[in-house]
Parts: sequence; C-alpha cells; structure tokens
Amino acid sequence: SQTIHQWPATLVQPVGSPLSLECTVEGTSNPNLYWYRQAAGRGLQLLFYSVGIGQISSEVPQNLSASRPQDRQFILSSKKLLLSDSGFYLCAWSGQGNEKLFFGSGTQLSVL
Amino acid sequence: QQQVKQSPQSLIVQKGGISIINCAYENTAFDYFPWYQQFPGKGPALLIAIRPDVSEKKEGRFTISFNKSAKQFSLHIMDSQPGDSATYFCAARGSSGYALNFGKGTSLLVTP
Repeated sequence: SQTIHQWPATLVQPVGSPLSLECTVEGTSNPNLYWYRQAAGRGLQLLFYSVGIGQISSEVPQNLSASRPQDRQFILSSKKLLLSDSGFYLCAWSGQGNEKLFFGSGTQLSVL
Repeated sequence: QQQVKQSPQSLIVQKGGISIINCAYENTAFDYFPWYQQFPGKGPALLIAIRPDVSEKKEGRFTISFNKSAKQFSLHIMDSQPGDSATYFCAARGSSGYALNFGKGTSLLVTP
C-alpha cells in the first residue's frame, strides 16, 4: 500500500534562518506531488506541484521554493524565513490521472 | 481569488442531528468535487467525492448533494456523532488541472 512520510512534525525557526522540509512517498511510482500551506481561516493554499523529477510548478510567488530530486521525494525550502512563513505545511500525492489526493501528516512551522 | 466558497465557517450540532455544509463554485470546467475531513494536527483525508453526472452520492452517514445548474454542492452528515467533530473542506478540480481548489473549511463540533 502507498504511504506518505513528512517530517519534521513541528519546527520552530528564527526569522532569517533557512528551511528544508522533506516528503517521501512509498508504494507508488511517478506520483504527482504537492505542497500546500494551511493558515487559520484561509483553508488550504497550493504552493507547488510536480508531475515528474525536476519539474516544479509554482502557484504562488513567495519566499519558498521546491525541488524534486527523486521520483518520490519532494522538498520545500527557503533561504531566509519570514514571520509570514509560519503555518501548517502539508505534502500530498496523487496517482497519474487520478484525482484522489492523499496528504501527509503535516509540519507545523513557527517562525519567531 | 477563492474559486470555491464554503459556508458556514463553523457549525455546532447536537449528537444525532444533521450537519450540513455548503459550497459554491464558478468555474464550469470543474468536474470533480471531493470533501476532506481533517482532525487537529493531522493532514486532511478524503471523505467522499462526486462527479457532476450524478446529483447525489451516499456513503454511510455522509451524503453529497450536487446541483449543477446552481453550481453548488453540499455535504450532509446524518446522525452526527462527537467523533465527527473535525474541520471539513470542500474542493473542486477541472479535468485539465492537476491541483484541487479548496474551500476555506468548516469547523464542525458535535456536542454530546
């Protein structure tokens, strides 16, 4: 069966520090991968998605970037965190041609 | 802009009652409408989904009603239980898109 792993679960970082969140998927190949951010009262905001290795589409211009170095690995990064980057970050995957979206357990990021 | 509008923002229902959450969309190209359930500190999980070729879909106590002409769909939770207390998100996606457009979520509390 397919599983998605996301870590860390919680992270507290100072303003201006770098960020690296990692997500991996097991049990499937060539998944579509997504990074969402959830802020209170704003629902789920799509940040990036990828349909293949090295292919990244950005939905919202911001202080963050994403990379997909391997088929089932998706990384969210920032060179310098801002206070506004605080939030709950969710990685998700879907199969090719399949609308069903499966989420990881999320990372609660607090930038202080 | 918000492509899927969800209401109410919060909802309190007594145990055994019916919980109703509504969503509206504008993009007529949307052809997949899922509902996700999220418990605190967890990622959202797919609850039930519908396509516009049917007006209703039922899975256990959960029912989606779909009104294509009005561009609205709703989630009904029958015989609501305290364990149903969670945040619910509606979403929509077009056949040519990769990512889901989410509503802002409804926080449901079912009181004993």
